[in-house]
Amino acid sequence: AQRVTQPEKLLSVFKGAPVELKCNYSYSGSPELFWYVQYSRQRLQLLLRHISRESIKGFTADLNKGETSFHLKKPFAQEEDSAMYYCALASGSRLTFGEGTQLTVNP
Amino acid sequence: NAGVTQTPKFQVLKTGQSMTLQCAQDMNHEYMSWYRQDPGMGLRLIHYSVGAGITDQGEVPNGYNVSRSTTEDFPLRLLSAAPSQTSVYFCASSYSPGTGNTIYFGEGSWLTVV
Repeated sequence: AQRVTQPEKLLSVFKGAPVELKCNYSYSGSPELFWYVQYSRQRLQLLLRHISRESIKGFTADLNKGETSFHLKKPFAQEEDSAMYYCALASGSRLTFGEGTQLTVNP
Repeated sequence: NAGVTQTPKFQVLKTGQSMTLQCAQDMNHEYMSWYRQDPGMGLRLIHYSVGAGITDQGEVPNGYNVSRSTTEDFPLRLLSAAPSQTSVYFCASSYSPGTGNTIYFGEGSWLTVV
């Protein structure tokens, strides 16, 4: 069975500091991974997906199949990055989410 | 283009009552799904549909029913509400899940069962 784990429920950094949100997965096939962001009381939005290898709002994420990880990184955090971040894995007709990490960027 | 629309946004139910959360999308997406969001548990898949007339169970289907009579609509029914169903519910849709297809979410429905 597929599983996504985000070990940190809460993460707090200062503005301008680097930030890394961890995501680990278990899946027997070739994974398709995403990061979604949810700003306060808003709908979830796709932040980025591993297949397109893009950088959105300064965030990047690299799929490491050896470590089964898909960590989200940003070199310089901004206050507007404060939100809930979800890592997700797609398999066929199902999308499995991690527990989420609440990121707070302090001024 | 309205995207994914959910109603109601807020609802309070008494234990044992039934209700339907409505979800509609205007993007001609084949794939639709319902999730519930609970603190510390992320989003968990309740039911999903890969097209009109086809539904299947997700991770936490008990206490919920769905149907998909049209491509546009995917209502979620709570048959006999329980306090454990207090949650935020999100409907989502995409052309199909998986490779390259963005999943669009509704704004959420906040449900409290007392």
